[in-house]
Amino acid sequence: DAGVIQSPRHEVTEMGQEVTLRCKPISGHNSLFWYRQTMMRGLELLIYFNNNVPIDDSGMPEDRFSAKMPNASFSTLKIQPSEPRDSAVYFCASSPFPGSGDGYTFGSGTRLTVV
Amino acid sequence: TQLLEQSPQFLSIQEGENLTVYCNSSSVFSSLQWYRQEPGEGPVLLVTVVTGGEVKKLKRLTFQFGDARKDSSLHITAAQPGDTGLYLCADSGSRLTFGEGTQLTVNP
Repeated sequence: DAGVIQSPRHEVTEMGQEVTLRCKPISGHNSLFWYRQTMMRGLELLIYFNNNVPIDDSGMPEDRFSAKMPNASFSTLKIQPSEPRDSAVYFCASSPFPGSGDGYTFGSGTRLTVV
Repeated sequence: TQLLEQSPQFLSIQEGENLTVYCNSSSVFSSLQWYRQEPGEGPVLLVTVVTGGEVKKLKRLTFQFGDARKDSSLHITAAQPGDTGLYLCADSGSRLTFGEGTQLTVNP
């Protein structure tokens, strides 16, 4: 298995532009998570899905952020409009089920820079 | 809201030294996971501990879970430069909650 695949690896965009981050989870994993990592706040959970259904989006910073999971093999995180304070590394992770003792497998992340 | 505190925040040591890093929670862990993150990559799971008092070993790494399931330690024996990375503890309940990590640097 190729693991969790995220694209793009790097994204530089201007303030006000729309940004879409993409994630392909491991096949057969039923839970998908979006995290944001910054030096100041560490790893923060933004939203997670079980069986393609959003379960908890309380970590989504504001209405500019939205996430979708149209099927079991694809998810997107969209920021519209983007702001400089959104600059961070965004990780997608998947697991067989919530609280899995097998752990969560993370992608390599998307480094977003908003100028 | 559960708070996970890790200490120390930064640790720089020489190759061959031993070290211990700590993770403390404001509430009982569902189960605890330790991850290591290298630059430019996502965190990678090292171990899961579930039972209070549990000890697990992974080569030169020893993980201990407190009896009350509110704290944990990671001990590395004879550290090597390849051990350099960010060590994160996490509560693996329905939502994985991370501490802020310990940044370890092992100098050759």
